Amino acid sequence: DAKTTQPTSMDCAEGRAANLPCNHSTISGNEYVYWYRQIHSQGPQYIIHGLKNNETNEMASLIITEDRKSSTLILPHATLRDTAVYYCIVLTQGGSEKLVFGKGTKLTVNP
Amino acid sequence: GAVVSQHPSRVICKSGTSVKIECRSLDFQATTMFWYRQFPKQSLMLMATSNEGSKATYEQGVEKDKFLINHASLTLSTLTVTSAHPEDSSFYICSASTRGIGNQPQHFGDGTRLSIL
Repeated sequence: DAKTTQPTSMDCAEGRAANLPCNHSTISGNEYVYWYRQIHSQGPQYIIHGLKNNETNEMASLIITEDRKSSTLILPHATLRDTAVYYCIVLTQGGSEKLVFGKGTKLTVNP
Repeated sequence: GAVVSQHPSRVICKSGTSVKIECRSLDFQATTMFWYRQFPKQSLMLMATSNEGSKATYEQGVEKDKFLINHASLTLSTLTVTSAHPEDSSFYICSASTRGIGNQPQHFGDGTRLSIL
């Protein structure tokens, strides 16, 4: 079973920041938080991951609370192409561990 | 970034046909590959995990004799749906990863949409 809780859906205006929350209150000390997204009819795309420090890459920023029980994925300037289902997943071993996908958050970026 | 290629992207065939789907890691060696299935309006569900050179590990409820997985090299895994029936129609997606230092993410192919008539 997925160990995370995400809102079912969110809307965001094009050009604005999209902040997607995720609760993972039972996360263990050695578990990472991974974010993937799936655009309609495509395979999931890796976005970012982190353990306890905030992370940033060319796609997004990941803010993890100090107690690690929740995190927020930030898309700083959302575009229409960011419309997708976003999945927050906790993993211990990263690539070598199977991913358990919950229902994710359906983000709709509106013009 | 890491690229995973999946082929074919779409297959339409008659009931009883066997269908082979290929998953290739183009710019890295994939020690582990995963096969997922996704029905309409549902999340991805893992079918099996394959490690290069060894037998695949199937999830509960997935028939290993129906969904044959071969991972003969570090860049290629294949999924064969044997004697496919309409209920096997789905979106099949592979992912690949490499063991090593750090927590490298899995990278996914673009999926194969299988339609059985």
